[in-house]
Amino acid sequence: EIVLTQSPGTLSLSPGERATLSCRASQSLSTNYLAWYQQKPGQAPRLLIYDASSRATGIPDRFSGSGSGTDFTLTISRLEPEDFALYHCQQYVTSPTFGQGTKLEIK
Amino acid sequence: QVQLVQSGAEVKKPGAAVKVSCKASGYTFTNYYHHWVRQAPGRGLEWMVMINPTGGSTRIAQRFQDRVTLTRDTSTRTVYMELSSLRSEDTAVYFCARDRRGSGLDPFDIWGQGTMVTVSS
Repeated sequence: EIVLTQSPGTLSLSPGERATLSCRASQSLSTNYLAWYQQKPGQAPRLLIYDASSRATGIPDRFSGSGSGTDFTLTISRLEPEDFALYHCQQYVTSPTFGQGTKLEIK
Repeated sequence: QVQLVQSGAEVKKPGAAVKVSCKASGYTFTNYYHHWVRQAPGRGLEWMVMINPTGGSTRIAQRFQDRVTLTRDTSTRTVYMELSSLRSEDTAVYFCARDRRGSGLDPFDIWGQGTMVTVSS
């Protein structure tokens, strides 16, 4: 099983700031089959990024994904109030696994 | 409208089984893999099982091998997830989801609203 480790566990920032979230895989994701999801309380996750760097339909361009191999990053260039949520990374190279999540909270 | 609609909340006793349904609409049901993911209170997401759209075969996460059964009814476009031998640690929100490209190795682009399953004596 591929283990994904997200950091930090909690990120405290203000609207307008830049957010950088990390996801590290226990082995190389050679196909870059990594996705990022946003989840708000009481809601299902929403797909933001797939294949490490492709934005899903309707996702604003302030969200971007990067990385390869074992290290991946989700960047939110300028935080809007609605961006404060829980973020998950997922690999789908093999049977899917998720990271433990990063909570992005208002400072 | 492309959507997945799940059945309502359940309360079960330890040792019992629960069966949750997920009804698809707005797309060709048999073109996509469907998955189940759960989230315990205050925890992250945990993938459980997926079903092949054509033959109906399943792939199950190791830790659920002996307890989860996934079936589907193509006539009603519904997927059913049954989890047996319930214990308190199975208390969670259970989500069904569709994969994005129908290949099986895909992110999940459509999610159900979630079904809360509570296991309590």
